[in-house]
Amino acid sequence: QLQLQESGPGLVKPSETLSLTCSVSGGSISSSSYYWGWIRQPPGKGLEWIGSIYYSGSTYYNPSLKSRVTISVDTSKNQFSLKLSSVTAADTAVYYCARFDNTAMGSHFDCWGQGTLVTVSS
Amino acid sequence: DIQMTQSPSSLSASVGDRVTITCRASQSISSYLNWYQQKPGKAPKLLIYAASSLQSGVPSRFSGSGSGTDFTLTISSLQPEDFATYYCQQSHSTPFTFGPGTKVDIK
Repeated sequence: QLQLQESGPGLVKPSETLSLTCSVSGGSISSSSYYWGWIRQPPGKGLEWIGSIYYSGSTYYNPSLKSRVTISVDTSKNQFSLKLSSVTAADTAVYYCARFDNTAMGSHFDCWGQGTLVTVSS
Repeated sequence: DIQMTQSPSSLSASVGDRVTITCRASQSISSYLNWYQQKPGKAPKLLIYAASSLQSGVPSRFSGSGSGTDFTLTISSLQPEDFATYYCQQSHSTPFTFGPGTKVDIK
């Protein structure tokens, strides 16, 4: 059974870089039908797609965050990572990693990590 | 960006009620529309993909319909475990966008 688990600091200072890793177990991150993505949710608010990556390293970013976001993949560790630079309090959110099924039947986030709260504060 | 709206933003219902939630896209997205359920403190869970396909393991009381710009999620007979917030999401084009959510609570 596929499982995703986010890890990283829960507290980041303003202007610094937020770094999170998603570890994938029960399946290979190199599967050809899937992308891997990051989604965030500020406390009490809705969901925002940050970006996605294919195992080959191809990336798609939300233009609203593109200048500050880097998503990378490490197939040897079955992990992918998120870096968000120059954070402010507005980046405080629960960050989820998820698998994106990109098959012909429609594309969707079908498996999610439990989420990790990242607070931006000095 | 494609904007997603949902109505209502919240609703109160009783166990056994039929519940309908509407999602509208700012432009045609064909059938690239997904529905998720989120309970407090938990990750979203995929219910419906491609507008009307039921995700494996999801009870058959959940159904989806629509295409183009207008979509509907229906719960045929609300169960206690269905009280949650429901989000639609378009996967027609990036940036993928979510609706603001519809909170379903107990009347």
